[in-house]
Order: sequence, then structure tokens, then C-alpha cells
Amino acid sequence: KAGVTQTPRYLIKTRGQQVTLSCSPISGHRSVSWYQQTPGQGLQFLFEYFSETQRNKGNFPGRFSGRQFSNSRSEMNVSTLELGDSALYLCASTMTPSGRGNEQFFGPGTRLTVL
Amino acid sequence: AQKVTQAQTEISVVEKEDVTLDCVYETRDTTYYLFWYKQPPSGELVFLIRRNSFDEQNEISGRYSWNFQKSTSSFNFTITASQVVDSAVYFCALSEFDDMRFGAGTRLTVKP
Repeated sequence: KAGVTQTPRYLIKTRGQQVTLSCSPISGHRSVSWYQQTPGQGLQFLFEYFSETQRNKGNFPGRFSGRQFSNSRSEMNVSTLELGDSALYLCASTMTPSGRGNEQFFGPGTRLTVL
Repeated sequence: AQKVTQAQTEISVVEKEDVTLDCVYETRDTTYYLFWYKQPPSGELVFLIRRNSFDEQNEISGRYSWNFQKSTSSFNFTITASQVVDSAVYFCALSEFDDMRFGAGTRLTVKP
């Protein structure tokens, strides 16, 4: 069974640009959560999608958005990039909504560098 | 609001030493779950263990053991006879009904 895949693995952008990251969950999983990981802030929850609907949202500005498609694949978008957006972006999938004790399966992450 | 605290930012040990990673959590719920994940240099978080709030039995898996104490709201992780391959960032996480929250992580370095 294939694991969670994220594309691209590495990305370099400049300030002011926008970026779209993609996450394909494990087959059969309908929930995708996104996290931002930085050395100073640790693992910060961005949002979760389940069955194409956003369930939860972390404390991030509106420049961060996401969506989920009918095949459960998810994308997150960051507009008007800032230097502080440089981070490892991880996505995780579960069969049912996260929480409720569900183990999350993580992808390898997309490392975004903003210059 | 739920919160997970991993007070140890970085720990460095020499191979074969035992090491304990601390995790303290806050929750008002009676039903919750606690997790430990390992993040090796490759970046992908790897699931290690899950514990529900009604099961305080300690668990041992090879060189790994976990001590769950509701009285002190702690879920500590011990590696016995550490090895270089144990070098990674370790995250403790708390899950209630709606979502999961992670601690800041502890970076463990095991030197040969």
C-alpha cells in the first residue's frame, strides 16, 4: 500500500510569489491534515480537510488556504509569500477525521524556501 | 484548550546510555489519546505508540518504554541503551475528539 506522497519535495520561491503544494493520502483515507514545521515554532497545525470540507483551521493568516478534491488529494496554497513562510510543510492522512485517537500517517514533506 | 509541553529542546547522549524524553499535557477531557512520533533526518514522522486515557499500563517495546501517569499528566518515553540510529526529533502529541496537537519536539543526538 503506497504511503502519503507530497509534491514537490523542494521548492524555492521569492517574496511576494504564491505557491501550491500537493498531498496524496493513503488510498482509502479521506482526511488530510497540513502542518508547518519550523525550527522555532515546532509543528504547527494549519488545517484539516475531510470529504472535501475543511474541518479545522489553525491560527494562520488568510494567505494560507487549502482544498480537497473528490479523490481525497489535497492542495495547500500560500499567497504573497514572506520570508517567514520558509518551512517544512507536512501533510498527514487518516481514514476518518483526525482526533478520536486516529493515528496519522505522514508524508515526507515539502521544504519551501522563500528568498 | 489542550496543550503539550516537551520541556527538553535538545538532548545529547553517548551510545548505550539510557535517555528519557519528557512530555506533559493539559486537557479537560476525560477521553483522550497520547502519541509519540519519531522524525528522522529524512523528515517523515513515524508513529511509535498510542495510548488512550483509560489505559495507564506502561508499555515496553524492545529498547523503548513509555510511562503514562495521569496523576502528573505525563507520558514519558525512555530509550534504553541508546544507539546512533535513535538520533531524531521526537514529538509527543495529544488527541481529543476533534484534532491532534503536537509538542515542540525534543531533538535527541546519540553520539558514538
